[in-house]
Amino acid sequence: DAKTTQPPSMDCAEGRAANLPCNHSTISGNEYVYWYRQIHSQGPQYIIHGLKNNETNEMASLIITEDRKSSTLILPHATLRDTAVYYCIVKGVSYNTDKLIFGTGTRLQVFP
Amino acid sequence: EAGVVQSPRYKIIEKKQPVAFWCNPISGHNTLYWYRQNLGQGPELLIRYENEEAVDDSQLPKDRFSAERLKGVDSTLKIQPAELGDSAVYLCASSLDRFSYEQYFGPGTRLTVT
Repeated sequence: DAKTTQPPSMDCAEGRAANLPCNHSTISGNEYVYWYRQIHSQGPQYIIHGLKNNETNEMASLIITEDRKSSTLILPHATLRDTAVYYCIVKGVSYNTDKLIFGTGTRLQVFP
Repeated sequence: EAGVVQSPRYKIIEKKQPVAFWCNPISGHNTLYWYRQNLGQGPELLIRYENEEAVDDSQLPKDRFSAERLKGVDSTLKIQPAELGDSAVYLCASSLDRFSYEQYFGPGTRLTVT
């Protein structure tokens, strides 16, 4: 079972920031938070990951709370092409925990 | 750089027929994954290969599903015989190794069993 909880859907206006929340209250100390997204009819695509520090790359920013029980993925200027299902995943490093376990994700709809 | 290649993209078969899916991972990637994605759900891992060795097949229904990865490159996933409940998208992914943070997914094969 997925170890994360996400809202099933969200809307965002084009050009505005999209803030996607994720709860992972049972995360262990050596488990990372990963975000993937899946555009319609495509395979999932890696976005970003982090352990406890905030992370930023060319696609997005990841904000992890100090207690690590929740995180937020931020798309700073959403475009129509960002419409997708976004998956928040907790992934360990040991042999039996280092797999991606997808939940049902958040369906983000970006509108003009 | 070429991505993960899968074929066919779509397949329609009648129940009890066999079916096979093929995957060509990114060159140099040692780890290969097969996932199944049911409608409205996230992908579920079926099997993971490290080179030629299947290191995690705990979710693979072994009575009807089989997989192989010859020479540690291409892989084939087979279902025999197919059941109505096998209708899903079958995704292949690859990564440099099991420690890599990024898995690269192919476009998937959409299977419809009638």
